[in-house]
Amino acid sequence: AQSVTQPDIHITVSEGASLELRCNYSYGATPYLFWYVQSPGQGLQLLLKYFSGDTLVQGIKGFEAEFKRSQSSFNLRKPSVHWSDAAEYFCAVAYSGGGADGLTFGKGTHLIIQP
Amino acid sequence: DTAVSQTPKYLVTQMGNDKSIKCEQNLGHDTMYWYKQDSKKFLKIMFSYNNKELIINETVPNRFSPKSPDKAHLNLHINSLELGDSAVYFCASSQDSTSGSIWAYEQYFGPGTRLTVT
Repeated sequence: AQSVTQPDIHITVSEGASLELRCNYSYGATPYLFWYVQSPGQGLQLLLKYFSGDTLVQGIKGFEAEFKRSQSSFNLRKPSVHWSDAAEYFCAVAYSGGGADGLTFGKGTHLIIQP
Repeated sequence: DTAVSQTPKYLVTQMGNDKSIKCEQNLGHDTMYWYKQDSKKFLKIMFSYNNKELIINETVPNRFSPKSPDKAHLNLHINSLELGDSAVYFCASSQDSTSGSIWAYEQYFGPGTRLTVT
């Protein structure tokens, strides 16, 4: 069964510092990869997605992610975080042919921003 | 305009009651989903519907019954509520999941319904 691992439950970063959130997915055929953000009390907002092609993808709010097939990873990065980035971040995967199987989510990483 | 909306946002009820959560999307999507987010924030798919037909039922107790009156709406009815049903329930939608298009994998989520069973 497909799975997603987000090794860091909590991460604390100072405002203005760079950020990297880790995500590893279980091996499968063609993975489709996503990062979602959930602000406190809010729904999930899609930050970015990878289907194919260029392995470095740009998303909203200044986020980017890099797909590395050899490492089964899809890490999320931001060069300089803002206090408003404090939220829960979820990595998710689907596989080609999975259709309405839905997304498989990691357990999330809680991002804390220090002033 | 809200793309995926859910009502109510909060729902507090007692054990044994029956309740419904409504979901509507105005994106013109064909597939809709229900996810459950538990107290540890873990998200798991419960159901998916494509054009009003049930596609996936992920071993959810039969106390949970989704209903899709049309492809823009997917409601979740829960009978005989239990304490363990307390969670946040998210509705989502995507393009036709049976089309083979990669865009069918891009899901848009509603704001969630926080259900508390006492």
